[in-house]
Amino acid sequence: QKEVEQNSGPLSVPEGAIASLNCTYSDRVSQSFFWYRQYSGKSPELIMSIYSNGDKEDGRFTAQLNKASQYVSLLIRDSQPSDSATYLCAVNRRDDYKLSFGAGTTVTVRA
Amino acid sequence: DADVTQTPRNRITKTGKRIMLECSQTKGHDRMYWYRQDPGLGLRLIYYSFDVKDINKGEISDGYSVSRQAQAKFSLSLESAIPNQTALYFCATSEGLAGQETQYFGPGTRLLVL
Repeated sequence: QKEVEQNSGPLSVPEGAIASLNCTYSDRVSQSFFWYRQYSGKSPELIMSIYSNGDKEDGRFTAQLNKASQYVSLLIRDSQPSDSATYLCAVNRRDDYKLSFGAGTTVTVRA
Repeated sequence: DADVTQTPRNRITKTGKRIMLECSQTKGHDRMYWYRQDPGLGLRLIYYSFDVKDINKGEISDGYSVSRQAQAKFSLSLESAIPNQTALYFCATSEGLAGQETQYFGPGTRLLVL
């Protein structure tokens, strides 16, 4: 079982719709959760981090964390063509500086 | 100028050759990492370094070695390249408390081993 699993996609959504991305993790001591965005041919960049159960909103992005279910999600509201990218879920432990990444979900926003 | 730079950006080599990928950063971070990215597998950690004297193996270190020449420089070597080392390689630095850090990635090196 992979430590971090994501739906591989691709996920295609119309412009203006909500894109919903899911991520599950296997290590119960994981404490911190991150979403990185990677445009084709580019390097990953951090867009969201979440440490506590519940929702965290930043602009059009909302991260949701449920530690009991070992589940973290990312919602992209009012999706734009510029949101077309691969989204990587990453987790680490409280006392650790290493991240474990999922394989990523590719999102395509069609105009 | 980019904060994390990698050279070369693209490299084609032959099986059995020794090659070095270089990473430099101007962010002043102590922690540096090397990852490889393969389609469908995501980013996998090869080596990481918390300072010049602290170097650690990641999950896929076999066939690789590293050198931390200075706080700002972290090099990855393939001692004898093989075709399954064909991948996209990223260097990263990080800052922040354990468990709450942000990682900053370089632009990547695309390596093809023939």
